[in-house]
Amino acid sequence: TQLLEQSPQFLSIQEGENLTVYCNSSSVFSSLQWYRQEPGEGPVLLVTVVTGGEVKKLKRLTFQFGDARKDSSLHITAAQPGDTGLYLCAGVKGNKLVFGAGTILRVKS
Amino acid sequence: NAGVTQTPKFRVLKTGQSMTLLCAQDMNHEYMYWYRQDPGMGLRLIHYSVGEGTTAKGEVPDGYNVSRLKKQNFLLGLESAAPSQTSVYFCASKNYGTSGGPNNEQFFGPGTRLTVL
Repeated sequence: TQLLEQSPQFLSIQEGENLTVYCNSSSVFSSLQWYRQEPGEGPVLLVTVVTGGEVKKLKRLTFQFGDARKDSSLHITAAQPGDTGLYLCAGVKGNKLVFGAGTILRVKS
Repeated sequence: NAGVTQTPKFRVLKTGQSMTLLCAQDMNHEYMYWYRQDPGMGLRLIHYSVGEGTTAKGEVPDGYNVSRLKKQNFLLGLESAAPSQTSVYFCASKNYGTSGGPNNEQFFGPGTRLTVL
């Protein structure tokens, strides 16, 4: 059972375009994390959002946590080829993570 | 620091064979995890450990066993491999901390790609 639904599953865009990835759940999480994974490597943490309504910015990436702490979004401004990868959201439940299925992002130059 | 390392990187097994995957971390982390990653399904938790000598089942534990005899090592065993266990396996570790705090980041190894024929 996938507790976290990510959309879209796959995104192919041109360099310079903006995009948003969504992560939705019917469950409430104490916090939510976003990871990025490159081929042949393990996921690496980008950000943790903790408070409902919280917005965090990491250069061209903006992360938002829903008011009810059930959903989150990742917005990338002016995407670059270096942003290509698999983006995973993960809900924190105690000391465990529940992962979404991921969004494969391909940015073409 | 090497972080989290996994051995081996690749392995091919025949149905019914057994093997052990080794995970080692040099960050003195309390928690360690084993996940499997399959296309379109994200990462699913197999087993985890909250400290030396302790283990617990995750979301998909059937067909796997684990041991944490030393704090820095977490072993994942397949007693009788099946084609359904073909996957990429990731180990992760985490420091002790509250769920929303800065110590809740999981650090992942590079993965082991396992094929069961």
